[in-house]
Amino acid sequence: AQSVTQPDIHITVSEGASLELRCNYSYGATPYLFWYVQSPGQGLQLLLKYFSGDTLVQGIKGFEAEFKRSQSSFNLRKPSVHWSDAAEYFCASWDPYSSASKIIFGSGTRLSIRP
Amino acid sequence: DGGITQSPKYLFRKEGQNVTLSCEQNLNHDAMYWYRQDPGQGLRLIYYSQIVNDFQKGDIAEGYSVSREKKESFPLTVTSAQKNPTAFYLCASTLGRSNTGELFFGEGSRLTVL
Repeated sequence: AQSVTQPDIHITVSEGASLELRCNYSYGATPYLFWYVQSPGQGLQLLLKYFSGDTLVQGIKGFEAEFKRSQSSFNLRKPSVHWSDAAEYFCASWDPYSSASKIIFGSGTRLSIRP
Repeated sequence: DGGITQSPKYLFRKEGQNVTLSCEQNLNHDAMYWYRQDPGQGLRLIYYSQIVNDFQKGDIAEGYSVSREKKESFPLTVTSAQKNPTAFYLCASTLGRSNTGELFFGEGSRLTVL
């Protein structure tokens, strides 16, 4: 069955430091992959998405993610974090060949920024 | 502006009462979804609908009901059968089967059972 794993529940980084949030997916083929961000008490906003082609994708707010088929991973990165990046981040996958059209989310990683 | 509107943002309910959460979208999207969010558990799918007058159960449908009489609207009723209804509820939509899977979310509704 399709699944998404985010192994880190909570990460704290210093402002200006680099960031990498991990995401692993379980799926036979290549799913469509997404990263969403959620500020407290708000809905989710799409940061970036991967369908095919170039394995390094750029998103909004200076984020990027790299798809690695050999590792079944889609890690989110940012070279230098800002205090406003403190939020919860969700990785998600979707099977484009399924008629069920279900989108699967990871359990999320909460990012805190140290001043 | 196009988007998804959820109401109310905050709702309090006594045990044994049914409550209905509203979700309206003007994006002309075919598919709509309801998710429940609890701390540390990510988003869990309650119900989804790919077309008007049709909907399917998600992973945690027990104690919930939905309707899809109009393309723009997908209300969720939390019934008294739901054992632990206190949670944050998110409505979302996508274009449908031909889409890329990208979800557009509302701002959420927080339900608290007193």
